[in-house]
Amino acid sequence: SAVISQKPSRDICQRGTSLTIQCQVDSQVTMMFWYRQQPGQSLTLIATANQGSEATYESGFVIDKFPISRPNLTFSTLTVSNMSPEDSSIYLCSVDQLAGDHYNEQFFGPGTRLTVL
Amino acid sequence: AQTVTQSQPEMSVQEAETVTLSCTYDTSENNYYLFWYKQPPSRQMILVIRQEAYKQQNATENRFSVNFQKAAKSFSLKISDSQLGDTAMYFCAFGSNQFYFGTGTSLTVIP
Repeated sequence: SAVISQKPSRDICQRGTSLTIQCQVDSQVTMMFWYRQQPGQSLTLIATANQGSEATYESGFVIDKFPISRPNLTFSTLTVSNMSPEDSSIYLCSVDQLAGDHYNEQFFGPGTRLTVL
Repeated sequence: AQTVTQSQPEMSVQEAETVTLSCTYDTSENNYYLFWYKQPPSRQMILVIRQEAYKQQNATENRFSVNFQKAAKSFSLKISDSQLGDTAMYFCAFGSNQFYFGTGTSLTVIP
């Protein structure tokens, strides 16, 4: 199974600033995913990041607000730009790996808890 | 579009008792997988159990088992002999080309 680390684990930021979250995987993976989990809520997919191409964003999320980099098969970053208190959330990185004969399994990082004042 | 519904926002169970968490989903696909993920207060999401839709036999992992009813699009999780460490948020998830998560059930195991 993939082991995923995220930096920072938590941060408190001022309104209007930006924060870049790093995600490192211990193996090469094709697809990496960024999720947002607002307090007491489920996971919402922000975007899918494939190495060598632009990220694919879900409805309601745009590149200007959440730029993503994917420079290689083990690393990705998500930037939360021009933050507002509504961006306070947990941001989770995950990867998709073949875990059996016919199915993929998602493995998750520990998350980054962001508080915007 | 796929949807996953967990109708029980919160549940509690006495230690050593059995509890069942409900999940229903909607899809037009025939080949997919279903998962239950656990997110303890420490936040790390981990897989509890998975079920391939093409298998009729219900998956079992130690104290965790599922009741998969494909026609009814139901996928409940049964936790037997509940332990304090089972206290967590539990998310039901549907996986095919993409993963879809339910809203979660917060389970508290009471000593």
